[in-house]
Amino acid sequence: DVKVTQSSRYLVKRTGEKVFLECVQDMDHENMFWYRQDPGLGLRLIYFSYDVKMKEKGDIPEGYSVSREKKERFSLILESASTNQTSMYLCASTTVGTGRDEQYFGPGTRLTVT
Amino acid sequence: GDSVTQMEGPVTLSEEAFLTINCTYTATGYPSLFWYVQYPGEGLQLLLKATKADDKGSNKGFEATYRKETTSFHLEKGSVQVSDSAVYFCALGGFKTIFGAGTRLFVKA
Repeated sequence: DVKVTQSSRYLVKRTGEKVFLECVQDMDHENMFWYRQDPGLGLRLIYFSYDVKMKEKGDIPEGYSVSREKKERFSLILESASTNQTSMYLCASTTVGTGRDEQYFGPGTRLTVT
Repeated sequence: GDSVTQMEGPVTLSEEAFLTINCTYTATGYPSLFWYVQYPGEGLQLLLKATKADDKGSNKGFEATYRKETTSFHLEKGSVQVSDSAVYFCALGGFKTIFGAGTRLFVKA
């Protein structure tokens, strides 16, 4: 069974802390994505990566950075957490293709910044 | 640019009622279209997809037809169950998938 796992389901951090969210996929997918999900706003793309050490900004990259040192692992970093980064964070992966293949999602990390 | 618009929720239905969730899109070219479902406390999972015009995707009693002339991909189910309560996302395929805002469905017993 294919799988995308995320390091935590729930996380509580203080303002100003550095936060690491990790995502691992076991499907040998080239493309990996980080989204945040907020009520009424749907999914918004933060960053994506199409290869090891490659990354591209999504629609809302401010306040975030990413790291992809290995093909199966994609990390999202909040350099200095703020309360407006309280959200659900979803990781996804997919094969390189023509956009005909679906994305596979992890279960999400609900982050609260106090 | 490319975009997806889906009906706002929440949608509340009684068990065995007919479901329609509208989705329209704007796109250059001929992208694949997807419906994803998110059950409480979980990530999104693929419900169905269609890769070209007039294709019908189906799964678990849900159906959607890729209509190029109306740029639509409406989700339908003939008889909903309580277990169908979830959030449904319409999405446009491409190098970066574009998701609609999601429609929350509540089904009452």
